[in-house]
Amino acid sequence: GAGVSQSPSNKVTEKGKDVELRCDPISGHTALYWYRQSLGQGLEFLIYFQGNSAPDKSGLPSDRFSAERTGGSVSTLTIQRTEQRDSAMYRCASSLLGSTNYGYTFGSGTRLTVV
Amino acid sequence: DQQVKQNSPSLSVQEGRISILNCDYTNSMFDYFLWYKKYPAEGPTFLISISSIKDKNEDGRFTVFLNKSAKHLSLHIVPSQPGDSAVYFCAASAEYGNKLVFGAGTILRVKS
Repeated sequence: GAGVSQSPSNKVTEKGKDVELRCDPISGHTALYWYRQSLGQGLEFLIYFQGNSAPDKSGLPSDRFSAERTGGSVSTLTIQRTEQRDSAMYRCASSLLGSTNYGYTFGSGTRLTVV
Repeated sequence: DQQVKQNSPSLSVQEGRISILNCDYTNSMFDYFLWYKKYPAEGPTFLISISSIKDKNEDGRFTVFLNKSAKHLSLHIVPSQPGDSAVYFCAASAEYGNKLVFGAGTILRVKS
């Protein structure tokens, strides 16, 4: 696709339920990142995938969070047993390493609300 | 531990004047620095970047300055336009292609 696509755009879930957030990166982009942004805060790094390398999971806040990237393309971020503090905007980004400007392209995000 | 800090939550500038957005960082391993712009209800979009081998990078109305000894970078927008009104995020990375660490953002309002 032309840009990074995230679904759903909004998700309201009850505390304790599991949620899955999906990211479709730009075709051909080798790197994929998940960030989250709480109200009034900057973007907080969660996890990074690069090609076939082991992902950098250093930003995942707890073992309730996991992510996978299938076939080097689509990624799913899963949050188990959601808590109210998980409420945030979850943003996915992809990049083509080696591009001269180096910038990420972000998706429009999934707004997660845990009630 | 906030490694990238944008100490001004907001900035208001008159159209046609210069906007200066500031960013400080603490990690001396950071080698790449970027600015992103974000409009409401949209994802952040890449604006301009600079690597540590340079102290200035210019792209049209946007110029980024890097002072490594002071661990400080700034974004200058001149002349400012009402369409520049957005949230601006500073970001840094210690390794090309690796994760970016973002500041909390500065809201820029350009008044016409």
